[in-house]
Amino acid sequence: EVQLVESGGGLAKPGRSLRLSCTASGFTFEDYAMHWVRQAPGKGLEWVSGLSWSSSTMDYADSVKGRFTISRDDAKKSLYLQMNSLRAEDTAFYYCAKGSGTYYKHGVFDFWGQGTLVTVSS
Amino acid sequence: QSVLTQPPSVSGAPGQRVTISCTGSRSNIGAGYDVHWYQQLPGTAPKVLIYDNTNRPSGVPERFSGSKSGTSASLAITGLQAEDEADYYCQTYDSGLSGGVFGGGTKLTVL
Repeated sequence: EVQLVESGGGLAKPGRSLRLSCTASGFTFEDYAMHWVRQAPGKGLEWVSGLSWSSSTMDYADSVKGRFTISRDDAKKSLYLQMNSLRAEDTAFYYCAKGSGTYYKHGVFDFWGQGTLVTVSS
Repeated sequence: QSVLTQPPSVSGAPGQRVTISCTGSRSNIGAGYDVHWYQQLPGTAPKVLIYDNTNRPSGVPERFSGSKSGTSASLAITGLQAEDEADYYCQTYDSGLSGGVFGGGTKLTVL
């Protein structure tokens, strides 16, 4: 059974940093692209970042480009999101999602974690 | 303003058929990228309903179907049931933005 478990969310002040983690099980982690998707409370889904297998290619939504960094550790079956210079508008549930293919540009987000809440407030 | 446009809400009585549209542009749906649909029940993570325009994952009832034409896609739900009440999102890749994009979401109400 595929499982994705996010952690690292919490309360942060504007301008500070947080690092989210996603631990995967139930599939060959290194073979698949992985993504972060966020959802502000009461709002819709927003793709944040995607990372292809072997970290070969990645990209970010314009809203986070230059502030967030996606990475993976295949040995630990883990995906990360380093979030710097946090803003109030980054407040959201952050979901880790598995891609169905190897490259982040292609494929559906076929499995999702339960999400971790990030709140940015002074 | 979402890159993919969906109606904010749709509704139907039990047993009826509803459709949810997803309108994009030449840099996403019109460029040939596959469209996927997700269902999000209240308080839960999204789950895949339709992938690659028309395909249903195992376990998704045949009442759900997807189609794509030109720069648009649609999700159809027949034989509406109370348990279908949820938010529905379309998603694809946009070459201009170099990233994934979602529709704004459609809230389905079963009357």
